[in-house]
Parts: sequence; C-alpha cells; structure tokens
Amino acid sequence: KQEVTQIPAALSVPEGENLVLNCSFTDSAIYNLQWFRQDPGKGLTSLLLIQSSQREQTSGRLNASLDKSSGRSTLYIAASQPGDSATYLCAVGTGGTSYGKLTFGQGTILTVHP
Amino acid sequence: EADIYQTPRYLVIGTGKKITLECSQTMGHDKMYWYQQDPGMELHLIHYSYGVNSTEKGDLSSESTVSRIRTEHFPLTLESARPSHTSQYLCASSGLADYEQYFGPGTRLTVT
Repeated sequence: KQEVTQIPAALSVPEGENLVLNCSFTDSAIYNLQWFRQDPGKGLTSLLLIQSSQREQTSGRLNASLDKSSGRSTLYIAASQPGDSATYLCAVGTGGTSYGKLTFGQGTILTVHP
Repeated sequence: EADIYQTPRYLVIGTGKKITLECSQTMGHDKMYWYQQDPGMELHLIHYSYGVNSTEKGDLSSESTVSRIRTEHFPLTLESARPSHTSQYLCASSGLADYEQYFGPGTRLTVT
C-alpha cells in the first residue's frame, strides 16, 4: 500500500526566503506526482504535475523535482511571499488498474511572515 | 482554470436526514473522484468513476453512495446522516491525457 510522507509538517519563514518542502513515497511504481496548494476551508489548487518519466517541472517561482527510484520529490519556492502562506500537499498517482487515483501526504503548513 | 463545481458549499443538517452533495464539471473529463478530509487531516479517496455507469469504492470505507449517469455529473448521497459524517467532501476530475486532477471548492458538512 502506497504511503506518502511530507516533511516538515509546518514551516514558518520570513518573506523573501527560498524554501524546500519534501515529499517521500514508499512504492516507486507511480504514474505521476502532483503538488497542490490548499487555503483554509477551500479546495485544492494544482501547482505542478510531474509525469513518472520527468525529473522536474517549473512554474514561475515554483520548481518541483522527482526522483522516482529513491521515492522522493521536493517543491522549491523561490523568494517566498506572504501570499504563499497555505498548506502544500503532495500526491502520488498509481498506475495499473488504479490509473488516476491519488494518495496524499498529510501536508506542510507554510507561513510566510512580512 | 478548472471548471468543477460543488453545491452546497456549506450544509448543517440533523441526524437521520438524507442528503445529496452535487458535483459537476464542464471539461468533459471521464474520471471523477470524491475525497473526504477531516480538519487538519489528509485527504482520503472514498469513491471514483472512470465513466458513465462506472463507480468504485475508494481506499477509505464510506457509508455514502455515488452515481454516474452523465459524464459531467457525479453526485454523492448519504441516506441517513450521522455526526460521524461531519467532514469536508472534495470532488475532483481528470482527463485521459495526463491524469492531472482538478478539484472543486468542497462541501463542508456538519451533522448535528
């Protein structure tokens, strides 16, 4: 059974810092990996999708990497801003008959203070 | 911008009531999903569908049921709500191209 762990559980940084969020998974037979952002009481916003054949994806100040063999992904946020404060979720997609199903980590609560 | 909608956004009901949470998407996606999320906890898949007339139970056991008679619509029903059903319910969909999932805003359900 796939298990996804995110470290740290919470992170508080001053505005302008570069930061890294970590995600690890136990079964390397994944189809893709998605990073999401969730604001309090809201749904999820997709940030980046990495297919299993890719090593990284970039969008603006965000860069996500994937090392499938070691079961790890990182989300790098450059020049953090108070508006980046949210919970960040990592989710891995499994293949085979479970195509498209996601297993989520517990999330990292990020606070960026001015 | 993903076009996936959930109604109602908030619902407070008494024990024993029957409720239906609505989810619809306008992207023509074949795959749709329901997740349950308790406050401060991770999301768990409770139902999914790969297309019309296809529904499967997810990883987390749930007393709810779902139906998929139209591609764009994936409602979730609780026949008799209980306080243990209090949670946030999130609907998502994905296409066949890359399986990227798009989420609706969620329904926060409170059963008193």
